[in-house]
Amino acid sequence: NAGVTQTPKFQVLKTGQSMTLQCAQDMNHEYMSWYRQDPGMGLRLIHYSVGAGITDQGEVPNGYNVSRSTTEDFPLRLLSAAPSQTSVYFCASSYSKTTNTYEQYFGPGTRLTVT
Amino acid sequence: GNSVTQMEGPVTLSEEAFLTINCTYTATGYPSLFWYVQYPGEGLQLLLKATKADDKGSNKGFEATYRKETTSFHLEKGSVQVSDSAVYFCALSMISGGYNKLIFGAGTRLAVHP
Repeated sequence: NAGVTQTPKFQVLKTGQSMTLQCAQDMNHEYMSWYRQDPGMGLRLIHYSVGAGITDQGEVPNGYNVSRSTTEDFPLRLLSAAPSQTSVYFCASSYSKTTNTYEQYFGPGTRLTVT
Repeated sequence: GNSVTQMEGPVTLSEEAFLTINCTYTATGYPSLFWYVQYPGEGLQLLLKATKADDKGSNKGFEATYRKETTSFHLEKGSVQVSDSAVYFCALSMISGGYNKLIFGAGTRLAVHP
C-alpha cells in the first residue's frame, strides 16, 4: 500500500503559468481533498470530493480547479498561477465503506513557489 | 462558525520534560477532535482522536481528553524525547454536506533538546 502519493514534490512557476498537482490513493477511499498550508494558518481546505464525478468547494477555492474521474485520482489545477498561491499543498483521502471509518490520510505534500 | 485555537509556539523543552499544548474549539453540534503531527518534510499523521465528550485519546505516550464543558482538547506527554520534535495540529471534524470537514488550528512547533 503506497497510501496517498503526490507529485511533484517541488515546483517553481512564473506568474500566469498553469500546472496540475497530481494526487493518487490506493486505499479505495471515497473522499479526497486538497489543503494548502501557510505559516501561522494551519491547513485550509481548497476543494473536496465525496466520490468519482462529485466535487465541491472548500474554504479557499478561488484560483483552483479539480475533477474526479476515478476513485483513485484527484488532480488540482492552477489555471493562472499567482504569487499568493505560493504554499505547501497536501492531498488527503478518507472514508472507507468497508471499515466505515473517516480518518484522513495525508500525502507528503507539494511545495509550490510562484515568482 | 467552527474554529480551533491552539497555543502559539515554538515550545522549547529539554528531554524528559512534561509537555502540554493547549487547544480550544468553537463548534456547533458535537465534533470529533484530533491531534495531528507533522515531522520535518513530511505530511500530517494522525496522532490521536476522541469522538465524544470525556473520551481520552492516546498514542505513543501522548494523551488528550475531550472536555465539552471547557471546549478543550489539550495535548499532554509526561516525558518528551528529541524525536518528538515536530509541529502539532489540533483539529475538529464536522459532517457537512455528507463530508467530514477538518478544521485545523494554526499548529504549534515543538523543539526538544537533549
